[in-house]
Amino acid sequence: SYELTQPPSVSVSPGQTARITCSGDALPKKYAHWYQQKSGQAPVLVIYEDSKRPSGIPERFSGSSSGTMATLTISGAQVEDEADYYCYSTVSSGDHRVFGGGTKLTVL
Amino acid sequence: QVQLVESGGGVVQPGRSLRLSCAASGFTFSSYGMHWVRQAPGKGLEWVAVIWFDGSKKYYADSVKGRFTISRDNSKNTLYLQMNSLRADDTAIYYCAREDMVYIDSWGQGTLVTVSS
Repeated sequence: SYELTQPPSVSVSPGQTARITCSGDALPKKYAHWYQQKSGQAPVLVIYEDSKRPSGIPERFSGSSSGTMATLTISGAQVEDEADYYCYSTVSSGDHRVFGGGTKLTVL
Repeated sequence: QVQLVESGGGVVQPGRSLRLSCAASGFTFSSYGMHWVRQAPGKGLEWVAVIWFDGSKKYYADSVKGRFTISRDNSKNTLYLQMNSLRADDTAIYYCAREDMVYIDSWGQGTLVTVSS
């Protein structure tokens, strides 16, 4: 079955740039989307269609995609950005969906 | 604003059935595809199923195919998930979610399903 692979954890100091990667064979042809989930809460969309930012999401969140890898970048990470981050995409056939395993971002 | 409210969760014995509901409001429900996504305790998000805006197509994760059925009633603005032959590894928070084009843009708060004897 199709998989999206993320690092289990990323750690940065406040103000540094955090980069979270997501790799998948279909990403050259399918968009990656990113969700932030804080403890005990429902996920929130932070990036869609590789690099678009929904209204209300701070500008420090950005996304990019090249080849089989998509990247979520948080420029100047803040303590409140500590959360689990998940990439999400569509299987190449276009019907099934898949989440990456998630990356725990620590900012301290 | 978009509101998705799940209900129907609870404790159920292995092998039994449960039906989840998701009441939608604040948008034209019949124009959007809808998903169920689950999250086992301490684990990551797992996509479960999707249904097209008109109910014409449905797709399932391999882990639930043949046991779960997604459906919708556009006249009632409600999404359903019928879960049969439940197993311990189905224990999770189940989220209802709305799809905009190719991504999920809105989530409910989830309902907890616990499968235990």
